Amino acid sequence: AQSVTQLGSHVSVSEGALVLLRCNYSSSVPPYLFWYVQYPNQGLQLLLKYTTGATLVKGINGFEAEFKKSETSFHLTKPSAHMSDAAEYFCAVSANDMRFGAGTRLTVKP
Amino acid sequence: GAVVSQHPSRVICKSGTSVKIECRSLDFQATTMFWYRQFPKQSLMLMATSNEGSKATYEQGVEKDKFLINHASLTLSTLTVTSAHPEDSSFYICSATTGGKNIQYFGAGTRLSVL
Repeated sequence: AQSVTQLGSHVSVSEGALVLLRCNYSSSVPPYLFWYVQYPNQGLQLLLKYTTGATLVKGINGFEAEFKKSETSFHLTKPSAHMSDAAEYFCAVSANDMRFGAGTRLTVKP
Repeated sequence: GAVVSQHPSRVICKSGTSVKIECRSLDFQATTMFWYRQFPKQSLMLMATSNEGSKATYEQGVEKDKFLINHASLTLSTLTVTSAHPEDSSFYICSATTGGKNIQYFGAGTRLSVL
């Protein structure tokens, strides 16, 4: 079985500041890892994914994440936050099926 | 590519009626579709997994007689909430994949409000 833990249900940053959303996972088999973003009353949009190969993954909207097997982490970062980044972010792990973290709400202050 | 259409986006119904939600993969064949439920400010809870042509697999605690899932073709799955009650009010989201550990593509969700 696999599971995901997102540290911090709410993260607030200033516009232009670094965004760091934390995700740790557990899986008995090599997992695929995902970050999704959800805007209010909408479905989930894929930001990026890690399957195999390069551990630093670049996604849409300037986001990237690094797979660190030794730390079982897949943290999401963006160098400079934009107001439009304010949303709910979900980390997910897929091994036998997909499991989602509890989500992190990102607030961007002007 | 990989677009999933979910319809309706919002539905309001009276208690005791049934509501059908459709999930379509528009540009790919979805061997597997998933139905999730999301409560306000919470994560997605997997309700069931459906494979085309076979019965859905429900997660523990999900009433299969209340949440009827049909996956009759490789591009369409439906969720019917039978005899809806106010506690069924929620945001329901479907996703589709070509199987295995592949990416799940999500619909835009359906907000169900039962009066």
